[in-house]
Amino acid sequence: AQSVTQPDIHITVSEGASLELRCNYSYGATPYLFWYVQSPGQGLQLLLKYFSGDTLVQGIKGFEAEFKRSQSSFNLRKPSVHWSDAAEYFCAVGANTGNQFYFGTGTSLTVIP
Amino acid sequence: DSGVTQTPKHLITATGQRVTLRCSPRSGDLSVYWYQQSLDQGLQFLIHYYNGEERAKGNILERFSAQQFPDLHSELNLSSLELGDSALYFCASSVDRGGGETQYFGPGTRLLVL
Repeated sequence: AQSVTQPDIHITVSEGASLELRCNYSYGATPYLFWYVQSPGQGLQLLLKYFSGDTLVQGIKGFEAEFKRSQSSFNLRKPSVHWSDAAEYFCAVGANTGNQFYFGTGTSLTVIP
Repeated sequence: DSGVTQTPKHLITATGQRVTLRCSPRSGDLSVYWYQQSLDQGLQFLIHYYNGEERAKGNILERFSAQQFPDLHSELNLSSLELGDSALYFCASSVDRGGGETQYFGPGTRLLVL
């Protein structure tokens, strides 16, 4: 069965520091992978997605993610965090034989000045 | 703004009641998905409709039902409400029905059952 694990429930980083949010997935085939961000009281906004090809994916707001098949991971990174990046981040896998997303439990990011 | 609209934004009701949540997908999108987000369960997929037909069911209770109308808007009906149904309900839409389709999320409807 498909599943997504985000091991870090909460992360705190200083503004300007680098960021890496972890995501591990379980899926029998090549997955479709997504990162979404949810600001307080808002819906989910797509940051980036991976379908195939280049394993390093660039997204909006300066985020990138790298697909590593050997590690079943799709970690999200940003070289320099801004205070406005404070939000909840969700990793998701889309099943290519089904019609639904499987979301991780999310990582809450706090940015301190 | 994702282009997906949901009404109402907030809903307060009592146990045992029935409510209807409405979702309008992005222009041109044929698929509508419903999700429930609660503190203890996280983001759970409920149901998916494609061009008026039910395509997949997730963790949707029998007290809940949904439909997609010819104009592609969708409604999620929640009945015999319980305290535990209090949550944020999201609708998402995508152009097609595959698992690789990007889903665009609405702002959500926050339901509080008292």
